[in-house]
Amino acid sequence: GAGVSQSPSNKVTEKGKDVELRCDPISGHTALYWYRQSLGQGLEFLIYFQGNSAPDKSGLPSDRFSAERTGGSVSTLTIQRTQQEDSAVYLCASSLVFGFNEKLFFGSGTQLSVL
Amino acid sequence: DQQVKQNSPSLSVQEGRISILNCDYTNSMFDYFLWYKKYPAEGPTFLISISSIKDKNEDGRFTVFLNKSAKHLSLHIVPSQPGDSAVYFCAASAIRGQNFVFGPGTRLSVLP
Repeated sequence: GAGVSQSPSNKVTEKGKDVELRCDPISGHTALYWYRQSLGQGLEFLIYFQGNSAPDKSGLPSDRFSAERTGGSVSTLTIQRTQQEDSAVYLCASSLVFGFNEKLFFGSGTQLSVL
Repeated sequence: DQQVKQNSPSLSVQEGRISILNCDYTNSMFDYFLWYKKYPAEGPTFLISISSIKDKNEDGRFTVFLNKSAKHLSLHIVPSQPGDSAVYFCAASAIRGQNFVFGPGTRLSVLP
């Protein structure tokens, strides 16, 4: 596709359930990022994938959060045993790493609501 | 500790006037900076960037200024238009190809 695609656009779940959020980056982009934005807050970095390198997981808030990137393309962010404080918009972005005018292209996000 | 700060959570400006959005950072290793605009229910969209080898970059109505010694950058929008009403984020990166750190955002309201 032309842009970064995220699914689902909205997800409502019950506390304690697991959820999976999907991101399809722009074709050819080697870097993929997950951020989240809680209500009234800024963008919080979660995890970053770059090619075949080990991901930078330094932003994951707890071990309930994990992410994979298969085949250097699609990524899945998994939240286990969801808590109400996990409610946020989860944003995925991709970028071409090389080149001077590097910038992030964002998807529209997944609005996660944990009841 | 926030590495990228946007100390004004909101800003209101009259249409046609200049909007100035500020961003401060603490990490002296940051060398590349981006500004993003975000409308409700949409992902952030790229506006303009600047690297540490420059102190100004201009694109149409948008100009970004970088003061490395003060660890400060600002985004100027002139003239401001009602469609510019959005949340603006600045972001910084220390090493090319590494993650970007975002500020908390400033909500700009351009009044007609």
